[in-house]
Amino acid sequence: NAGVTQTPKFRVLKTGQSMTLLCAQDMNHEYMYWYRQDPGMGLRLIHYSVGEGTTAKGEVPDGYNVSRLKKQNFLLGLESAAPSQTSVYFCASSKAGGRGYGYTFGSGTRLTVV
Amino acid sequence: AQSVSQHNHHVILSEAASLELGCNYSYGGTVNLFWYVQYPGQHLQLLLKYFSGDPLVKGIKGFEAEFIKSKFSFNLRKPSVQWSDTAEYFCAVNAGQAGTALIFGKGTTLSVSS
Repeated sequence: NAGVTQTPKFRVLKTGQSMTLLCAQDMNHEYMYWYRQDPGMGLRLIHYSVGEGTTAKGEVPDGYNVSRLKKQNFLLGLESAAPSQTSVYFCASSKAGGRGYGYTFGSGTRLTVV
Repeated sequence: AQSVSQHNHHVILSEAASLELGCNYSYGGTVNLFWYVQYPGQHLQLLLKYFSGDPLVKGIKGFEAEFIKSKFSFNLRKPSVQWSDTAEYFCAVNAGQAGTALIFGKGTTLSVSS
């Protein structure tokens, strides 16, 4: 199993450009999450989804949009990138229930906005 | 709202020293607790997790953590660290239900000198 796959792994954007980060999971997980990681800040939740067709805001949603059109994919969009969005982005997924469930993380996307 | 506090921002130890990293959370209900490790340039890996039962949890690579409900704490311990334990460590909590997002602490950087 591939688990959680994030594309691209690296990207440099100019201020004002747009882009979409793709997260794909092959574990049939219901729940998916987008986090950003910044030095000294830990991981902060941007948006999450509790199922196909649903999304919700996390702690730091401003400047981002998300979509979950298919259960296996969770897209994170930046409509007009800003230098403050320079970060490492992690996607994660988890299953709906069961004892001892866990979270599976992708390997991250390093985004630089210049 | 839930929050997680990691009191040690940077810990420096010599090999064979004992390690204890503090983690406190604020949430009055049932919680699940996690410790993740991130080696330089890599994504998050699960060290251990607590859902219920024995409050002393053993994880991978010789790590363990103790859940003390009365203190809202979940401290990570290792009796003898190795140079390869140099990494960033994150404590995380969710609200005790499958699918709820993980809330992370800001992380503790551990540097182990040989």
